[in-house]
Parts: sequence; C-alpha cells; structure tokens
Amino acid sequence: SSVLTQPPSVSVAPGQTARITCGGNNIGSKSVHWYQQKPGQAPVVVVYDDSDRPSGIPERFSGSHSGDTATLTISRVEAGDEADYYCQVWDFISDHPVFGGGTKLTVL
Amino acid sequence: QVTLRESGPALVKSTHTLTLTCTFSGFSLSATGMCVSWIRQPPGKALEWLARIDWEDDKYYNTSLKTRLTISKGTSKNQVVLTMTNMDPVDTATYYCARIWGIGGSFDFWGQGTMVTVSS
Repeated sequence: SSVLTQPPSVSVAPGQTARITCGGNNIGSKSVHWYQQKPGQAPVVVVYDDSDRPSGIPERFSGSHSGDTATLTISRVEAGDEADYYCQVWDFISDHPVFGGGTKLTVL
Repeated sequence: QVTLRESGPALVKSTHTLTLTCTFSGFSLSATGMCVSWIRQPPGKALEWLARIDWEDDKYYNTSLKTRLTISKGTSKNQVVLTMTNMDPVDTATYYCARIWGIGGSFDFWGQGTMVTVSS
C-alpha cells in the first residue's frame, strides 16, 4: 500500500511562506488532500484534489504536485496557521485512504 | 448543514470489545457515492484510517486491523456503528467518524472525535 512521507516539522516566521511536502511513490497519479489539525480539534480539509480549496479556506493555502512530491504552500503565514498538517491519498490497490505522518507547523 | 457526532465509552478494559456510534445529519448514506469512515489518532500520533461503509452497504477495512473490526449501519438510518474486538492499551486514541462523498475524495466533514482509553 502507499506510504506518504512528510517532514516532522516546519518552522516559518509570520508573513513568510511555508511549504510542507508529502512524498510517495507515484503520488503524481493520485489526488492529494491536505488537512489542518489544531490542538484538541478534528482535522479540517484545506486543500482537496491536489489544488482546490473548500469554501472558507483562504487563498493563502494552495497545493501543487511535482513528480513524487506534493506540496502544501501557505503564503503570508499567520500565527493562527500553527497546526499539524496531514496529506492523504486514496490507494486504489488496497481501496482505502492513506495518511501521511503529519507535519507540525510552527510560526516563530 | 452536515454534522457528525461520535459516541461511546471513554474507558474500555483490555480484551473487551469497543462499540462506537457515529450519528450524522445533513446527508443520506443512501446517496450515490456517499461513505462514512472511522479514523483514529493515538495521543501525539498520526491519523490512521480504520474502516468505511458506503452507499451500497459495502464495507472496507484497514488490512492490519481487519480481523478485529466490524462496521455497519445502525438501527437508525443516520447512524454508523464500529465495533473493535480484543482491545489493547495501544488502541487508546481519539476515534473520529468522517464523511467522504465519492471514492477518492477528501474527508470533507468530521465529527469532533471521542477519546477512548484502554486500561490494562
């Protein structure tokens, strides 16, 4: 089944750009979804199908693909963006979703 | 307005069976493409998908936990039930139910989660 690799942590200063990567074999052929999870809360999808944003999610959140890596980019980072971020794809061989290990975004 | 809410015991003894209920509103599990999944998260750890039931009542399980899990529709048409047998302290986690509309799609709505502690 798919294995998704994320960096454990990313740190960025307010106003700067944060990039969180998600690596996986053949991830370029799959739709990637990204979730934000703040302490004590359920995850919330911030990007779905690689680069689409649900209503209510700021345009500062964007997703992209390149080769075996998907990237969540958060522009003009704010203190409120500090959270854990998870990528997720659908493994059609095993017919179930797979999550990455999560990345803790720290706003300095 | 779509909502999901998990309910069940906060404490379970080792070797016992856990039964969780997801009560949802704002959508029908009979709608084509609709699915409800269970996902768990041990304290400080990553999300782990457990099981899914879809609009045709097909059921799918995490391969590594398949022998211990059963997902089903509840007695009420807006409920999904998960049972996990032979609970162990490593199963201590927050358990979430979440909706997917369309295979391959994202989990677009989540419950708030329910924390389950397994005592040895």
